[in-house]
Amino acid sequence: ETGVTQTPRHLVMGMTNKKSLKCEQHLGHNAMYWYKQSAKKPLELMFVYSLEERVENNSVPSRFSPECPNSSHLFLHLHTLQPEDSALYLCASSQDRVGGTQYFGPGTRLLVL
Amino acid sequence: SQQGEEDPQALSIQEGENATMNCSYKTSINNLQWYRQNSGRGLVHLILIRSNEREKHSGRLRVTLDTSKKSSSLLITASRAADTASYFCATDAWNTDKLIFGTGTRLQVFP
Repeated sequence: ETGVTQTPRHLVMGMTNKKSLKCEQHLGHNAMYWYKQSAKKPLELMFVYSLEERVENNSVPSRFSPECPNSSHLFLHLHTLQPEDSALYLCASSQDRVGGTQYFGPGTRLLVL
Repeated sequence: SQQGEEDPQALSIQEGENATMNCSYKTSINNLQWYRQNSGRGLVHLILIRSNEREKHSGRLRVTLDTSKKSSSLLITASRAADTASYFCATDAWNTDKLIFGTGTRLQVFP
């Protein structure tokens, strides 16, 4: 719909597992973002990539590791997560990094047991 | 912080009625955007209004911006059940290049 896809849509993992979230944008954008959305909290910006270079890391714990192999793909590698990391993880892209319109994927609903 | 805050947190109306949501922010901005989110889905961009604009229309949406009061409103006219969603404002401050989202207004439109 928006040109941004995310897989998987749902993920259940134990605290000792390692998993990865994938995001792909088909819009030719230069910037990509990871957000975390928890219940009753504002959307939290986690990472920003511009032209495949990480330009922002908002004090995110090291158990979250982003990877941007090219301008169309963005990954979030997860390991040894905590139950409080359960949330909706949203990927977005924009033409440029400067605050313009962002296009969001449908999100990955993550449950950490 | 720059964070926008929407008011009210929740709003319930009947189909055909108008829905008004407000957003307040704290610092000078370049522009303000409104997004919509259906339950458990991603956000969808609705409209962007620049700091030098006061009002903007898009279909049944009307957005106003008052930079002196650091506030914006989103009006949805002749609401439909399909408008049921959460609505978020997002601002980008003049001295940063990231969007800051508010906590959202949950709109319920009853048929």
